[in-house]
This record gives sequence, C-alpha cells and structure tokens, in this order.
Amino acid sequence: KAGVTQTPRYLIKTRGQQVTLSCSPISGHRSVSWYQQTPGQGLQFLFEYFSETQRNKGNFPGRFSGRQFSNSRSEMNVSTLELGDSALYLCASSFGTAEAFFGQGTRLTVV
Amino acid sequence: AQKITQTQPGMFVQEKEAVTLDCTYDTSDQSYGLFWYKQPSSGEMIFLIYQGSYDEQNATEGRYSLNFQKARKSANLVISASQLGDSAMYFCAMRRSGANNLFFGTGTRLTVIP
Repeated sequence: KAGVTQTPRYLIKTRGQQVTLSCSPISGHRSVSWYQQTPGQGLQFLFEYFSETQRNKGNFPGRFSGRQFSNSRSEMNVSTLELGDSALYLCASSFGTAEAFFGQGTRLTVV
Repeated sequence: AQKITQTQPGMFVQEKEAVTLDCTYDTSDQSYGLFWYKQPSSGEMIFLIYQGSYDEQNATEGRYSLNFQKARKSANLVISASQLGDSAMYFCAMRRSGANNLFFGTGTRLTVIP
C-alpha cells in the first residue's frame, strides 16, 4: 500500500510569488491535513479537508488556502509569499479518526 | 486550549539501553488521543504509538510503550533496547475527540550512542 505522497519535495520561490503544493493520501483515506513546520514555531496545523470540504482550519492568514479533489488528493496554495513562509510543509492522511500518516514533506524556501 | 510540553530538547542514550522521553499535556477535554511520532532527518513523521484517554492499559508497540498517567496529564514514551536507527526527533501530539488536527509539542532530539 503506497504511503502519502507529497510533491514537489523541494521548492525555491521568490518573495511575492505564489506556490502550490500537492498531496496524495493513502488509498481509502478521505481526511487530509496540512501542517507547517518551522524552527521557530514548530509544527502548526494549517487546515483539514474531508470529502472535498474544509472541516477545520488553523490560525493562518488568508494567503494560505487549500482544496481537495474527488479522489481525495489535496493541494495547498500560498499566495504572495513572504520570507517567513519558508518551512517544511507536511501533509497527513487518515481514515476516520485513526492515526494520521504523514508524507515526507515539501521543503519550501522563499528568497 | 490544548498544550503539549516536552521539556527535554535533547537526550542521549547508550545503544541497547532504555530511554524515556517526557510529555505532559493540558486540556479540559475528557476525551482525547495522545500520539508519538518520530521524525528522522529526512523529514517524514513516522507514527509510533497511540493512547486514548479512556484506555485503561498503557499502549505498547514493539519496543515502544507509552507510560500514561492521566491524573498527572503525562504521556511519556519509553523506548527499550535503543538502536542507532532510533536517533531522530520525537514529537508528542494530542488530538481532541472528533477532530483530526494534532497539537504538537516542541520535540526531543534523541541521539543513540554506539
């Protein structure tokens, strides 16, 4: 059974640009959550999608958005990138309320 | 509000010895779940063990066990017979009942010494 797949693994963007990250969950998992990990703030929850609907949202500005497709694949978008958006972005999928399985993350660097 | 505290930024353990990583939490919820994840340098978060707040027995998964003391709001991870491959960051996390988002602690970097 394939794990959670995140693409791309690494990304370098310039301030002001926008970026889209992709996450393919484990087959059969309908819940996809996104987290941001930085040395200063640690791991912070961004949002969760379930059956194409955002079910929960963390405390991030509106520049951070996401969506989920009918096959449960999810994308997150960050517009007008800032230097502080440099982070490891982790996606997790789960079946119901069982444990979450994470992907390897996308490391975003904003220059 | 939910809060997870991991007071040990770094820990060292001799290979084949046991080690305990501390985790305390704060919540007013009666129903919640506690998790431990391992994050090697590659970045992926690897699920290790889960304990439900109503579980009467401590969870165990192979070399991992969770020392759950509900009254003290602690959920320490015990790794027995440490291996070199156990060197990584370890995160304690909590999830509210009915929700899927996790609240993470700041992590403990474990180094296993040969």
